[in-house]
Amino acid sequence: QKEVEQNSGPLSVPEGAIASLNCTYSDRVSQSFFWYRQYSGKSPELIMSIYSNGDKEDGRFTAQLNKASQYVSLLIRDSQPSDSATYLCAVKRTAGNKLTFGGGTRVLVKP
Amino acid sequence: DAGITQSPRYKITETGRQVTLMCHQTWSHSYMFWYRQDLGHGLRLIYYSAAADITDKGEVPDGYVVSRSKTENFPLTLESATRSQTSVYFCASSNQANQPQHFGDGTRLSIL
Repeated sequence: QKEVEQNSGPLSVPEGAIASLNCTYSDRVSQSFFWYRQYSGKSPELIMSIYSNGDKEDGRFTAQLNKASQYVSLLIRDSQPSDSATYLCAVKRTAGNKLTFGGGTRVLVKP
Repeated sequence: DAGITQSPRYKITETGRQVTLMCHQTWSHSYMFWYRQDLGHGLRLIYYSAAADITDKGEVPDGYVVSRSKTENFPLTLESATRSQTSVYFCASSNQANQPQHFGDGTRLSIL
C-alpha cells in the first residue's frame, strides 16, 4: 500500500461543475495536509493546507479532512478551464518535516 | 520578491560527469528540500536540511550529495551522473516544520 494514494485520473469535469478529488493516507499519526496544483511543465503551487478535521474553504476551493477515515479531499467549485492541471496531495507525519506526495490526479475541465 | 530560484533551468550532460544543481532562497527559511519528479513515481524526496550545516537523507538519496553552508543555498550534486538520474529536480523551502513548502521552478536534467 502506498503511503499517500490518489486516483490518477484524468477526472473530466464540465465547466462550471464541481470537481471532487480524493486522497487517502496510511500513517494514522499524520498531522498536516496540503494540496498543490501543478500545470504541465511547471512547479507545484500550494493551493490549500489543512491541519484539523472538518472543512476549510478558500475561494472556489474547499479542503476536507477526516483523520479517523484517513482521507483528505479537495473540492473545486465552478470549475474553469484554467483549473485543468494535476493536483497533488501531500501529507506530513508527526516527526520531522518531510512531506510524502501522492501520485497526483489529473483534472480536465472542458468548456 | 525573488523567492526561491533554481539554476540551471535545463542541463544536458553525459554519464559519469559531475553536475551541480543550485537552489537559492531569499526568505531565510530554515528548511530546504530536494525532490525529483518522474513519470510513474511522482515527487520523491532526495535530501533535506533543517538548518545550515544540518542535512538528512530522504527517500532516494543514493548517487546524490548535498551541502548547506549558508541558510539561503542548498546545492545538489550528482557526483557521477547516470541515465537513471534523468529527471526534473525541484527545490523547495519552508520556514517552520509544520508550514507548507514552496517550490522553485525546477531543473530539467538529461543525462546521455
